[in-house]
Amino acid sequence: AQSVSQHNHHVILSEAASLELGCNYSYGGTVNLFWYVQYPGQHLQLLLKYFSGDPLVKGIKGFEAEFIKSKFSFNLRKPSVQWSDTAEYFCAVNEAGTALIFGKGTTLSVSS
Amino acid sequence: DAGVIQSPRHEVTEMGQEVTLRCKPISGHNSLFWYRQTMMRGLELLIYFNNNVPIDDSGMPEDRFSAKMPNASFSTLKIQPSEPRDSAVYFCASSSGLPGEQFFGPGTRLTVL
Repeated sequence: AQSVSQHNHHVILSEAASLELGCNYSYGGTVNLFWYVQYPGQHLQLLLKYFSGDPLVKGIKGFEAEFIKSKFSFNLRKPSVQWSDTAEYFCAVNEAGTALIFGKGTTLSVSS
Repeated sequence: DAGVIQSPRHEVTEMGQEVTLRCKPISGHNSLFWYRQTMMRGLELLIYFNNNVPIDDSGMPEDRFSAKMPNASFSTLKIQPSEPRDSAVYFCASSSGLPGEQFFGPGTRLTVL
């Protein structure tokens, strides 16, 4: 069965610091990869997704992620975080015809 | 589009009572998903439907949980009888196909006393 691992449970950064959140998945076949964000008290929203093509994917709000197939990874990055990026971030994976499997999430706290 | 609509947004009930959560997917979407979110277990897929047919219900924790999708625009998740350990936020999501981006509703925060 597929599984998704997010390495960091809680990340604390100051504004303007760079961010990288790790995500690894277990499935060896063709997968689709997603990062979702959940702001406090809100529902999940899509940040970015990878289906095929350029492994460097750009999403909303300055976020990007790089798919490295050999490492089964899809890490999320942002060069300079803002206080408003405080949220919980979820990596998710699916293969064709299946539902998304989510990681446990990483809580990001950004201090101003 | 109004997005995925869930009701109620908050539900407080007593142990043993029946709870029904409702979801209206985005019009035109043919896949619907129910998730449960808790601090301990994160986001868990409970069940999903494709074209109103349940495809995978292996995430449904036990027989007290049941889900239906009588038509393309409505789904329910029922817990009978409810227990305190069912307290969680229940999210509904829909998508226009598999694979595809899933759009999430605002969730129902369930508290079972």
